[in-house]
Amino acid sequence: QVQLVQSGAEVKKSGASVRVSCRASGYTFAAYYMHWVRQAPGQGLEWMGRINPNRGDTKYAEKFEGRVTMTRDTSISTAYMELSSLRSDDTAVYFCAREAYFCGAGSCNDFWGQGTLVTVSS
Amino acid sequence: QSALTQPASVSGSPGQSITISCTGISSDVGGHTYVSWYQHHPGKAPKLMIYEVTYRPSGVPDRFSGSKSGNTASLTISGLQAEDEADYYCTSYTTNRQYVFASGTKVTVL
Repeated sequence: QVQLVQSGAEVKKSGASVRVSCRASGYTFAAYYMHWVRQAPGQGLEWMGRINPNRGDTKYAEKFEGRVTMTRDTSISTAYMELSSLRSDDTAVYFCAREAYFCGAGSCNDFWGQGTLVTVSS
Repeated sequence: QSALTQPASVSGSPGQSITISCTGISSDVGGHTYVSWYQHHPGKAPKLMIYEVTYRPSGVPDRFSGSKSGNTASLTISGLQAEDEADYYCTSYTTNRQYVFASGTKVTVL
């Protein structure tokens, strides 16, 4: 069965960087785009970007351009999201989510990771 | 890219029908059919309920339905059940190849 397992909670200082991993199993990792979405406390969901695990090309949300880097290691079926220059308002739960093959324009996600809490303190 | 607009909360009694609206602009909701809806129970992963405005993934009850008119998409839950109590988010693809979420709606079953 499809599973996305994310790395554990992180506590970072303002200005630091964080890298969250997402290990995929149960399907061909390179065949499905991977998206990253976050949810700050008391807030809604926010799309951060996506990566094509096959070629490594990325598309980032305009808000995060210059601060986010999405990469992958196909040998271990793992996607990574690194966010730099962390601020207190980056405190959030970060999710990876597989793009569903049946949605046009990659517009939906059928499997999600369990979420990773990143806490940014000053 | 501005977030889409949803009501903060909607409530209904068991068995009733409720509708959640999702309003965008012509470059997102109004520009195509790539609108999806997710159900999110706090502390769990979001679950896809509707994609491409009207389609239900396998396993989603037919009590959930989607529609769209102009710049506003809607999710209707018919025959409301206790387990439907959750947060619901719409999301849309945009013409500059981004994806935007709405602020979310808390559904309460009275």
